[in-house]
Amino acid sequence: GENVEQHPSTLSVQEGDSAVIKCTYSDSASNYFPWYKQELGKGPQLIIDIRSNVGEKKDQRIAVTLNKTAKHFSLHITETQPEDSAVYFCAASIRGFQKLVFGTGTRLLVSP
Amino acid sequence: DTEVTQTPKHLVMGMTNKKSLKCEQHMGHRAMYWYKQKAKKPPELMFVYSYEKLSINESVPSRFSPECPNSSLLNLHLHALQPEDSALYLCASSQVPGNLNTEAFFGQGTRLTVV
Repeated sequence: GENVEQHPSTLSVQEGDSAVIKCTYSDSASNYFPWYKQELGKGPQLIIDIRSNVGEKKDQRIAVTLNKTAKHFSLHITETQPEDSAVYFCAASIRGFQKLVFGTGTRLLVSP
Repeated sequence: DTEVTQTPKHLVMGMTNKKSLKCEQHMGHRAMYWYKQKAKKPPELMFVYSYEKLSINESVPSRFSPECPNSSLLNLHLHALQPEDSALYLCASSQVPGNLNTEAFFGQGTRLTVV
């Protein structure tokens, strides 16, 4: 079945640095790739997504890139702030977007 | 209103109890989901409802029984649970299933403890 690998599992950066989280998916039929941020005690919140007909998408300090050939997609956060500290999940969809398969998560810690 | 509301926020139940989790959205979404999330793990899909009909059941044990009374409400009925069922139960919703512009909105979850 569909599998999504995510690295690293933890990432510590200084405020102002950039952070990069990488994911690899297995199902070549996947065509929608969202990224979620989950803060302690809260549900996942969508922060950015990308579809398979696009290679890169940017929203202020956050960007996502997709390499369909290699089945890789990455989240880039620039100028990190302490409030960016959270667990980040990548995901890939199959079955016409009805099913999201999540990566294992990255705990990002941004130190002031 | 882009909110998915789940009640209760916390629930402690015994293994012989019957309880229900509730989820509500008023965004006009026609796909609704139940996910289970264990500590330090990603959410795992349990059920998908499309147009109020169950479309995906990820081989979930029958002690979990979903129900979608209307397009805004989703319930998860719990009976004879085991301690290992303790987890955060997340509800989500999205627009018309299969729509390329779909975005899934998650609720805050119900923290369930089975004793």
